[in-house]
Amino acid sequence: SQQGEEDPQALSIQEGENATMNCSYKTSINNLQWYRQNSGRGLVHLILIRSNEREKHSGRLRVTLDTSKKSSSLLITASRAADTASYFCATVFYTGKLIFGQGTTLQVKP
Amino acid sequence: SAVISQKPSRDICQRGTSLTIQCQVDSQVTMMFWYRQQPGQSLTLIATANQGSEATYESGFVIDKFPISRPNLTFSTLTVSNMSPEDSSIYLCSVEDLSGVHYGYTFGSGTRLTVV
Repeated sequence: SQQGEEDPQALSIQEGENATMNCSYKTSINNLQWYRQNSGRGLVHLILIRSNEREKHSGRLRVTLDTSKKSSSLLITASRAADTASYFCATVFYTGKLIFGQGTTLQVKP
Repeated sequence: SAVISQKPSRDICQRGTSLTIQCQVDSQVTMMFWYRQQPGQSLTLIATANQGSEATYESGFVIDKFPISRPNLTFSTLTVSNMSPEDSSIYLCSVEDLSGVHYGYTFGSGTRLTVV
């Protein structure tokens, strides 16, 4: 079963704008990860944030984690048409299982 | 980081038949995971496959429907048995990647299954 919710379910922006996606989860986690999926293909790992971290950056990506609210956000700055994809948060439990959120479909218009 | 070869990439199958999906990893891994992604949906974990023991299935998935083999530390198969149109999905395997910089999970490219 899904661990949490993501919002928005769909997001459409213009190239150059920032995109923010949010993820909530239900139980204690080891870490939280974000993935990208292009057109129903395999997933690509974007970034990982551990439960004792609050913010992490990787290139144009910024991830925050609030364990008290059980929520995370992914910010993509200066978006490009190539960022068009589905984005999923996934929580990792101490058993090693990776459980996915519902996902956000991002469309970046040129 | 680990590289996974997943086969077949897609198939169209008749209802009532079975399909076996293979995943080959280029390094030894302890756990392999199998996911199902129904059309327009997120990924749902089917089971965790450990070498030398029976797979651990998630709620809603049973071994008779989705038998899994894990003969060694680099290979696993998932069979979708007695298929019906409701089994039309993308099936993906995954491993935890402890070798890469990102320390995430690596996924196969997926098997797009259509049952007619």
